[in-house]
Amino acid sequence: DQQVKQNSPSLSVQEGRISILNCDYTNSMFDYFLWYKKYPAEGPTFLISISSIKDKNEDGRFTVFLNKSAKHLSLHIVPSQPGDSAVYFCAASAPGNTGFQKLVFGTGTRLLVSP
Amino acid sequence: DTGVSQNPRHKITKRGQNVTFRCDPISEHNRLYWYRQTLGQGPEFLTYFQNEAQLEKSRLLSDRFSAERPKGSFSTLEIQRTEQGDSAMYLCASSLVSNTEAFFGQGTRLTVV
Repeated sequence: DQQVKQNSPSLSVQEGRISILNCDYTNSMFDYFLWYKKYPAEGPTFLISISSIKDKNEDGRFTVFLNKSAKHLSLHIVPSQPGDSAVYFCAASAPGNTGFQKLVFGTGTRLLVSP
Repeated sequence: DTGVSQNPRHKITKRGQNVTFRCDPISEHNRLYWYRQTLGQGPEFLTYFQNEAQLEKSRLLSDRFSAERPKGSFSTLEIQRTEQGDSAMYLCASSLVSNTEAFFGQGTRLTVV
């Protein structure tokens, strides 16, 4: 049961253009969403997050949009740079009984930004 | 370096052997997590500590797996009688109690031959 889905395994974009990475989720209890970036042989690095009470969060070149009714979020990177080439994971969390919120990850989208 | 540190980075072991991994979280972080990532998949949650207490375990964590966090500082993950299906990247992460943004270590890649 894949609760967080990233249906595009890969995306190729030219340097300077916009990269749009998509993520869908099924669990309506998720209330916090995160994007992580992962380079080969390294652990995931936190990129940006959004709470379910917002529909947009921006940090420099990175913007995350949340559409709760569609259970969909997207990460926009503008302008894309070759150093952005990595695997991007969408993750979601829901509150537990102890306040614990484990992360449920998607399968990732490999972004390649070409010069 | 004040990030999450994991040792060893790579481990090759023969099937049936026991292995132990160590994670040193960011010092002020109360929460520590273990995840496992296999090829083509996202990280999957294994277990979680708040300070020294292990508060949640995934059903993925069979009885061959055990994790500890003595004194609420570093943590160890032990796999007994390793199987080829245990081959994966084992990731440790930590966060503050009130912060859901977990910071990950570089992982330990386990290969069972």
